[in-house]
Amino acid sequence: EPEVTQTPSHQVTQMGQEVILRCVPISNHLYFYWYRQILGQKVEFLVSFYNNEISEKSEIFDDQFSVERPDGSNFTLKIRSTKLEDSAMYFCASSVSLGRYNSPLHFGNGTRLTVT
Amino acid sequence: QQPVQSPQAVILREGEDAVINCSSSKALYSVHWYRQKHGEAPVFLMILLKGGEQKGHEKISASFNEKKQQSSLYLTASQLSYSGTYFCGTEARLEGGSEKLVFGKGTKLTVNP
Repeated sequence: EPEVTQTPSHQVTQMGQEVILRCVPISNHLYFYWYRQILGQKVEFLVSFYNNEISEKSEIFDDQFSVERPDGSNFTLKIRSTKLEDSAMYFCASSVSLGRYNSPLHFGNGTRLTVT
Repeated sequence: QQPVQSPQAVILREGEDAVINCSSSKALYSVHWYRQKHGEAPVFLMILLKGGEQKGHEKISASFNEKKQQSSLYLTASQLSYSGTYFCGTEARLEGGSEKLVFGKGTKLTVNP
């Protein structure tokens, strides 16, 4: 069964550094998402992406965050200047569609980001 | 816009039943249910699309009352493998369609032998 893959599984970085989290969504999916989960807490929406542009973003997704689909297969989340509070598990997800069409989100196994 | 889940935690013995509730203050297109085991990604269980619709997944079923903006997840004859945190995700009905799924805080289910 096709799956969403994320790399790396664990990223350690120093405060103020830039990180790029990578995801390969399922090939026939059209919608892509980033969520994050601080340890033991809820899964928080960051951003959705469709047709090479952001569809919607949350208040968490400020100017230090950006997303890109550089080559038709990868989907990346960049954090420009990491803060301690960015430490979390970041999940990429994809779906065939959302909205009036409704389909499940398929999550990757996540990247654990630790900012020191 | 975040849905409210209750209870926050449930402890069961194997074979017992449980109900997890999810409610929203906004009109909904759909309700999703996911289960997350410790250290793993959330895994899709089911989507409910219409008022009063029910779906099933093994011994797990759910209902969606569109008018009340509520959904409930029913776990019957629970198994040890049901342990995990259950999240409901709601897609709100906004003008022009909404393109985000917002999750509740989760309900931690523990099934003991």
